[in-house]
Amino acid sequence: RKEVEQDPGPFNVPEGATVAFNCTYSNSASQSFFWYRQDCRKEPKLLMSVYSSGNEDGRFTAQLNRASQYISLLIRDSKLSDSATYLCVVNRGGSTLGRLYFGRGTQLTVWP
Amino acid sequence: DTGVSQDPRHKITKRGQNVTFRCDPISEHNRLYWYRQTLGQGPEFLTYFQNEAQLEKSRLLSDRFSAERPKGSFSTLEIQRTEQGDSAMYLCASSLGTGILSGANVLTFGAGSRLTVL
Repeated sequence: RKEVEQDPGPFNVPEGATVAFNCTYSNSASQSFFWYRQDCRKEPKLLMSVYSSGNEDGRFTAQLNRASQYISLLIRDSKLSDSATYLCVVNRGGSTLGRLYFGRGTQLTVWP
Repeated sequence: DTGVSQDPRHKITKRGQNVTFRCDPISEHNRLYWYRQTLGQGPEFLTYFQNEAQLEKSRLLSDRFSAERPKGSFSTLEIQRTEQGDSAMYLCASSLGTGILSGANVLTFGAGSRLTVL
C-alpha cells in the first residue's frame, strides 16, 4: 500500500468554483502534513502546512483528520492561476525522520 | 543566493553511460534531498543528507546510484551504467532543520535535471 494516496483527477472547474481534494495516508504515526503545488514542467513548491486544528490561507483551507488518516484541501473562488497539480505530502517521523512522502498529485484545471 | 540550483537541466545519454548531476542548495540550509519524478507521479524519495552525512537512502537507490555531499554544501548524484528506466526528472531540495521537526520539512526544490536514456 502506498504511503500517500490521492485521486489523480483531473478536476476541471470554472472560475469562481469551489473545489476540494482529498488524500489518505497509511501510517498512523505520521507527524507532519503539507500541500505542495506543482505547475506544469516546474518544481513543487510549498502551498501550506496542515495543522491538526485546520488552517486557512486566503482562499485555501486545509484540514487534517488523524482518526481517519485523511487530509483535505479546499479552494474557494477558483482562479485561472490555480491550475496546477496539488501534491499531498506526509512525514512519518521516527526512523524515517527526514523523508517526505509525496502523493501522485491531483491535477486541477480552472477554465474561464 | 537565489535558491536551489541544479546542473545540467537536461541530459540525454545512451544506455550504459554514466551521468552525474550537481545540486547547489540554499547556502544556510543544512539538509539536502534527492528525489526522482516520472510523468504522472509524485516525487519519490532517493536520499538525504544532513550536512555532509548521508542519513537515509531509499531502496530505490540501487548500487548504480551514489550520492555525495563532501563538504556539506553542494551535492552530486551519479548514476552508473544507465538504463532506460532511469529516465526521469531528478529533483534536489534543501531545508533548514535545526531540531527534530522544526523547519526541516519545508523543502525548497530546484528546477530539476531531466535525464533521458536512449
